[in-house]
Amino acid sequence: SAVISQKPSRDICQRGTSLTIQCQVDSQVTMMFWYRQQPGQSLTLIATANQGSEATYESGFVIDKFPISRPNLTFSTLTVSNMSPEDSSIYLCSVEDGREALYEQFFGPGTRLTVL
Amino acid sequence: DAKTTQPPSMDCAEGRAANLPCNHSTISGNEYVYWYRQIHSQGPQYIIHGLKNNETNEMASLIITEDRKSSTLILPHATLRDTAVYYCIVRVGNRDDKIIFGKGTRLHILP
Repeated sequence: SAVISQKPSRDICQRGTSLTIQCQVDSQVTMMFWYRQQPGQSLTLIATANQGSEATYESGFVIDKFPISRPNLTFSTLTVSNMSPEDSSIYLCSVEDGREALYEQFFGPGTRLTVL
Repeated sequence: DAKTTQPPSMDCAEGRAANLPCNHSTISGNEYVYWYRQIHSQGPQYIIHGLKNNETNEMASLIITEDRKSSTLILPHATLRDTAVYYCIVRVGNRDDKIIFGKGTRLHILP
């Protein structure tokens, strides 16, 4: 199974600033996903990022607020822009490993963001 | 929106079998049932998946009803480390089908 790491693991940020979260995978994967998990809630998909193309955003999420880069098959970044306290969440990277049966998804450990 | 319905929480005594139900009455013929769990402060972890037949692996068993409208995840001998939120997900399982999470079931294993 794919091994995923995220940086930073946690951060405390000031309102109005931006934070870039990195996701690194130990193997080449086609599909990468970014999720948000607000306190006490389930996971919500933000966007799907394929290498070499623009990310596809889910309803309620826009590129200006959550720009995503996918420069190669093992790496992606999610930026949370112009942050407000409502952005305080855990942000998780996930990858789809086509080597596994039925394109299994694996998740990173998450980045815990607190916005003051 | 999630295509599944799960009880919000359940308790199970340590050492007993934990049976977690899931309703997916609108499941399509080409959709699989997946189970993930999320232990506190960690990313979700895959447990098992199935289409029609019952499935078993080293972690759990999955029982799917004949009409495929519901399923049960069974943890045969629950331990305290099985305390987590368990998510039942329905998806086609091909490259383009993303995972949409519902609210899940918070399972408490009681010592």
